[in-house]
Amino acid sequence: GIQVEQSPPDLILQEGANSTLRCNFSDSVNNLQWFHQNPWGQLINLFYIPSGTKQNGRLSATTVATERYSLLYISSSQTTDSGVYFCAVERHNAGNMLTFGGGTRLMVKP
Amino acid sequence: SQTIHQWPATLVQPVGSPLSLECTVEGTSNPNLYWYRQAAGRGLQLLFYSVGIGQISSEVPQNLSASRPQDRQFILSSKKLLLSDSGFYLCAWSNGETQYFGPGTRLLVL
Repeated sequence: GIQVEQSPPDLILQEGANSTLRCNFSDSVNNLQWFHQNPWGQLINLFYIPSGTKQNGRLSATTVATERYSLLYISSSQTTDSGVYFCAVERHNAGNMLTFGGGTRLMVKP
Repeated sequence: SQTIHQWPATLVQPVGSPLSLECTVEGTSNPNLYWYRQAAGRGLQLLFYSVGIGQISSEVPQNLSASRPQDRQFILSSKKLLLSDSGFYLCAWSNGETQYFGPGTRLLVL
């Protein structure tokens, strides 16, 4: 099956700092999503981004499908950004089934 | 707008007891539905998915089963729980592109 690797596995930031999270995948995909899991376990959809660049407030994401990676940028981080960030991909003809990466655990300190 | 509900929120069960977790979706029709399990706060594993009433596909062989008795209802069951069934169970629905997750059920098998 398709492999999804996220880096770094853990990240500690001071409030106000910027960061870049990376997601590499081993095969071509037709769906890529970024999620944020808050400390209570709720998974929040951040971006649906199989290719190109999108921005939503302090967050933006870029997927370069031909090179099989995606990046999530967090600018001016806040303590509420803490949690685990997951990348998930759907390989072609996989019936909208997602394969998740291992996640990046982010802690933003005040 | 669409909402997804799961219950119970938390469950403690003895080994060998049965299990029934319920997921319902509101505000959409004929969604794709999914059950995931998350252990140790990282990495979601797809357990079952359904594209319609009575249509269930299993991704991982185990002692769990799933049923979809109604269009917007998805049930995860077990006849006899194992210690290894402990974890965080998440239900999700999809519009064909983006997956949206419920609040999850934390299951502890003792």
